[in-house]
Amino acid sequence: GAVVSQHPSRVICKSGTSVKIECRSLDFQATTMFWYRQFPKKSLMLMATSNEGSKATYEQGVEKDKFLINHASLTLSTLTVTSAHPEDSSFYICSARVQALNYGYTFGSGTRLTVV
Amino acid sequence: AQSVTQPDIHITVSEGASLELRCNYSYGATPYLFWYVQSPGQGLQLLLKYFSGDTLVQGIKGFEAEFKRSQSSFNLRKPSVHWSDAAEYFCAVEGTGRRALTFGSGTRLQVQP
Repeated sequence: GAVVSQHPSRVICKSGTSVKIECRSLDFQATTMFWYRQFPKKSLMLMATSNEGSKATYEQGVEKDKFLINHASLTLSTLTVTSAHPEDSSFYICSARVQALNYGYTFGSGTRLTVV
Repeated sequence: AQSVTQPDIHITVSEGASLELRCNYSYGATPYLFWYVQSPGQGLQLLLKYFSGDTLVQGIKGFEAEFKRSQSSFNLRKPSVHWSDAAEYFCAVEGTGRRALTFGSGTRLQVQP
């Protein structure tokens, strides 16, 4: 149980285009989701907290106009990288906190974004 | 603000040997602590977690961790490592307020045959 499905797993896009990454909770409702970015051989850095039906909360230094987050339903959160540049290439991972039974956090399988 | 330190960037052990990965945290209250494992290009899989109660926590794949409040530590252990355990291991603490995880820098485990 408590599965988060993240798509796509890999995407290559041209500079200047936008890319959308989806994160779905399959068997539970996620009122809050988290988006992380991971650089090669580095830890996960929290980018933003996504709340269903309200605006996302961004961490300091994260451009909200570049990384658009939408959490329109209890099972879907999306991250759109707008006007992508090569420096946006990274591994993006979503996560949700599962309230039931003190489960903890569950993670999507990640999206490898390469901007060329 | 909370922080997590994993002092060992890279550890190599022989298959069948015991393993201990260190994790120290800085947090003002009793923390919620987690260990995750990540294979290359993959998401994170929960190994175990500590919320309260027994300070020795059993997880999946034969892993265990011990919460030591006096040392602000939550070290991960396994008595006998298998080649399939080679991966990146992350210790994390749940923060108050935003309820997100703060991760350590990770420890890369290599297993020698």
